[in-house]
Amino acid sequence: DVVMTQSPLSLSVTLGQPASISCRSSQSLVDADGNTYLNWFHQRPGQSPRRLLYTISTRDSGVPDRFSGSGSGTLFTLKLSGVESEDVGVYYCMQGSHWPYTFGQGTKLEIK
Amino acid sequence: QVQLQESGPGLVKPSQTLSVTCSVSGVSVITDDYFWTWIRQFPGEGLQWIGYIYFSGYTYYTPSNPSLKTRLVMSVDSSRNQFSLRLNSMTDADTAVYFCARGRNSGSSRGVDHWGQGNLVTVSS
Repeated sequence: DVVMTQSPLSLSVTLGQPASISCRSSQSLVDADGNTYLNWFHQRPGQSPRRLLYTISTRDSGVPDRFSGSGSGTLFTLKLSGVESEDVGVYYCMQGSHWPYTFGQGTKLEIK
Repeated sequence: QVQLQESGPGLVKPSQTLSVTCSVSGVSVITDDYFWTWIRQFPGEGLQWIGYIYFSGYTYYTPSNPSLKTRLVMSVDSSRNQFSLRLNSMTDADTAVYFCARGRNSGSSRGVDHWGQGNLVTVSS
C-alpha cells in the first residue's frame, strides 16, 4: 500500500495567519493517464470528513478560495491563506492513484 | 444534493455480527460512475478503508487487511436506494466510527466526495 505521511501532526495558528500542511507519498501518485489523484479533507470535531480539494488543487463546490493545493509526484501541500475559526479540526490527505486508496495520519489544526 | 446517512447499532457484543445500512438521497445508487464505500475511524485515530461495492455487485476488499475480507459482506439494495455492511465475529479491535461514503475510480474527481455522518460502534459485553 502507498504510505501517506503528513507533517506537521499538529499546528497552532493565530487567526488570520497562513498555515501549511505537507503530505508525502511513498511512491509517485502520477497515474497512467497523467493525472495525480490527491485529495485533501477537513474533519471538524464530531463530524465526518469533508473533501476540500481533488486532483491536487481543484476545489470542491463551496470550498473557500483561501484553501489551495500544490505539489507533484510524491510531495504535496495544502495551504490556508488566512486561518478562520471554522478551520479548526483535522486535515487528511488521501491518494486515489493506487488501490487501495490510503489516507495520511492527519494534521490537527488549532487556533493559538 | 447528495446525502448519505448510516443507521446501525451503537453497541455490539463480542463475536456478534455488525449490520450497518447507508441510506442515499439526492442520487441513485444505480450508477456505474460511482462506488459505495465503507471507511472506519478508530477512536482518536485516522481513517481506514474497509472496502467498496458497485451497483453491479463488484466488490473490493482492502487487501492489506485480509482478516476483514473473511468477515465482511457488502451489498446494494437499489429498491431502497441503500447499501449495507455486515461484519461478523466482532472484537474489541472493531470498535470505531463506521462511515459510508461515495467514491469514484475514474475522472478527475477520483476519490471520495460525499460522506455520511458516521455510526459509532462499540464492541463490549
